Amino acid sequence: KAGVTQTPRYLIKTRGQQVTLSCSPISGHRSVSWYQQTPGQGLQFLFEYFSETQRNKGNFPGRFSGRQFSNSRSEMNVSTLELGDSALYLCASSDRTGGNTIYFGEGSWLTVV
Amino acid sequence: DAKTTQPPSMDCAEGRAANLPCNHSTISGNEYVYWYRQIHSQGPQYIIHGLKNNETNEMASLIITEDRKSSTLILPHATLRDTAVYYCIVRVPRGAGSYQLTFGKGTKLSVIP
Repeated sequence: KAGVTQTPRYLIKTRGQQVTLSCSPISGHRSVSWYQQTPGQGLQFLFEYFSETQRNKGNFPGRFSGRQFSNSRSEMNVSTLELGDSALYLCASSDRTGGNTIYFGEGSWLTVV
Repeated sequence: DAKTTQPPSMDCAEGRAANLPCNHSTISGNEYVYWYRQIHSQGPQYIIHGLKNNETNEMASLIITEDRKSSTLILPHATLRDTAVYYCIVRVPRGAGSYQLTFGKGTKLSVIP
């Protein structure tokens, strides 16, 4: 069974640009969550999507957005990039049952210059 | 939110058992304890999770105290590849089936040859 797949693995963007990251969850998993990891703040929850609807959102500005498609694949978008957005962006998928196992992808490394 | 407290670092001799403690004194009755580990530049790897009972899988054992205020992750025979940051997390339900993983700073486990 394939794991959580994130693309691209590495990317470099310029301040002011926007970026879109993609996540394909494990087959059969309908919940996708996104996390940001930086050296200073650690791993922080961005948002969760289930059945194409955002179910929960962390404390991030509106520049951070996401969506989920009918096949459960998800994208997150960051607009008007700032230097502080440089981070590892992680996607996690689960089947959302009570004691479910939550699996993470390898992440997308974003560098803003 | 239930917070977790872990020692910042621990050493363990190769081949010995590694016992990683975690305090979660404010945990609620329906909140699960999850353990992940992260090797530099990679996504968090799921290890084990539990609610009340002790759990064991091919990677580790999870011992949860009867009052659920603390737990211990046991790696029975540590190898050099177990060197990583280990995160103890309480999964917080956010209503309508949504959940959130709140990561702390974790324990940096160093396995010594």
